Amino acid sequence: EIVLTQSPGTLSLSPGERATLSCRASQSVSSNYLAWYQQKPGQAPRLLIYGASSRATGIPDRFSGSGSGTDFTLTISRLEPEDFAVYYCQQYGPYTFGQGTKLEIK
Amino acid sequence: QGQLQESGPGLVKPSETLSLTCTVSGGSISSYYWSWIRQPPGKGLEWIAYIYYSGSTNYNPSLKSRVTISIDTSKNQFSLKLSSVTAADTAVYYCVRGEYDDPRHFDLWGRGTLVTVSS
Repeated sequence: EIVLTQSPGTLSLSPGERATLSCRASQSVSSNYLAWYQQKPGQAPRLLIYGASSRATGIPDRFSGSGSGTDFTLTISRLEPEDFAVYYCQQYGPYTFGQGTKLEIK
Repeated sequence: QGQLQESGPGLVKPSETLSLTCTVSGGSISSYYWSWIRQPPGKGLEWIAYIYYSGSTNYNPSLKSRVTISIDTSKNQFSLKLSSVTAADTAVYYCVRGEYDDPRHFDLWGRGTLVTVSS
C-alpha cells in the first residue's frame, strides 16, 4: 500500500498570501493517479485537482497542482477567505489518502 | 451533474451488520464507478470499496473480509454491507462517484451519513 504523507499538518496564513501544500508518497505514483480535495467543516470533500495538475470543473485558477514521482504540491496563489479548509491528497491503485493539511487563518 | 443521497440506520450494535444505500438522482448510474468512503470523527478519509455499473467490484484489502458492495441499476442505487462492526467502524459514510468511466478520482460526493456503533 502506498502511504501519502502531507505537510505541514497545519498551515497558518492570511488572505491574499500564497499557500503551498505538500504530499509525499512512500513509492512512486503515476501523475495520472494523484488528486487533491478540499473539505470544509460539516461538508463532504470536493475534488480540486486530478491527474496531478488538471483543475476539476468549476475550480478557480488560483488553485494549481504540480509534481511527479513521489512529490506533489498543491498551490493556492492568492488565498481567499473561503479557501481556509482541510486539504487531502489521494492516489489510485488502490486508493489511499493523505492525513490532511489544515489551512487556517493567521 | 447528479446528486447522491445516503440512507440507513444511524446506530448499529457491535457485532451486527451495517447496511447503507445510496440513491443516485439527476443522472445515470451507467458508465460510472461508485464507491463508499468513510471518515471517523475528526480523522481522515478511508476508501472502502467500489462497484462499476456492470457489477465488477474492488475492495480495500483491510476491510475486504467484512464488506459487500452491490448495485441495482433499475433503482439507480448501490449499497454497502459491513459485517461484525466495532466502535472503530463509527464514522461518516459517504457514497461517491468516480468520473465518467474513470475510477481514478471522485468527482461527486453525497452529504454523508454518520453511523455510530454502540450498544
